Amino acid sequence: GAVVSQHPSRVICKSGTSVKIECRSLDFQATTMFWYRQFPKQSLMLMATSNEGSKATYEQGVEKDKFLINHASLTLSTLTVTSAHPEDSSFYICSASDSGDYEQYFGPGTRLTVT
Amino acid sequence: QKEVEQDPGPLSVPEGAIVSLNCTYSNSAFQYFMWYRQYSRKGPELLMYTYSSGNKEDGRFTAQVDKSSKYISLFIRDSQPSESATYLCAFSDPGAQKLVFGQGTRLTINP
Repeated sequence: GAVVSQHPSRVICKSGTSVKIECRSLDFQATTMFWYRQFPKQSLMLMATSNEGSKATYEQGVEKDKFLINHASLTLSTLTVTSAHPEDSSFYICSASDSGDYEQYFGPGTRLTVT
Repeated sequence: QKEVEQDPGPLSVPEGAIVSLNCTYSNSAFQYFMWYRQYSRKGPELLMYTYSSGNKEDGRFTAQVDKSSKYISLFIRDSQPSESATYLCAFSDPGAQKLVFGQGTRLTINP
């Protein structure tokens, strides 16, 4: 149980375009979803926390107008990278949590390359 | 002072060795202590979690927490090459609802 999927697993886009990444909890209801970014050989950096039906809470330094997060249902959250630039190239990982449960279940990640 | 400190390695050991991984932390509010394993280009998977000082054993894995010293460890006995990965410590406090990760230690177990 507690499976989280992400789609796509890899995406290459041109500079200036937007990219949408989906995160789904397959066998449980995720009241809270988290989005992380991970650069090579570095740890996971939390970008934002989203609760179903509410606006996402962004970490300091993360541009909310650039990284649009939607958590419209208990099983789906999306991250849209708008007007992507090469410096946005990274590994994006989502995680999901049940209500009241500190434990997070991680997706397999999405590798974004902006050319 | 960083909230979490973890030696990034790399750490290389022979197959069958006992591996010791460590993290220190500074936030006294942390109540949950976790270890994740992350294979290359994959998401992290939870290995161990605990919320009290002392040892917790699960098969070949032992998690150790010393709250007074703000120090946690993960021991892997009889390590296997298939367990070569990056190991991340993570911390959480009940009020924050988010995890704080260490930098991760890259571990290679050589056949």
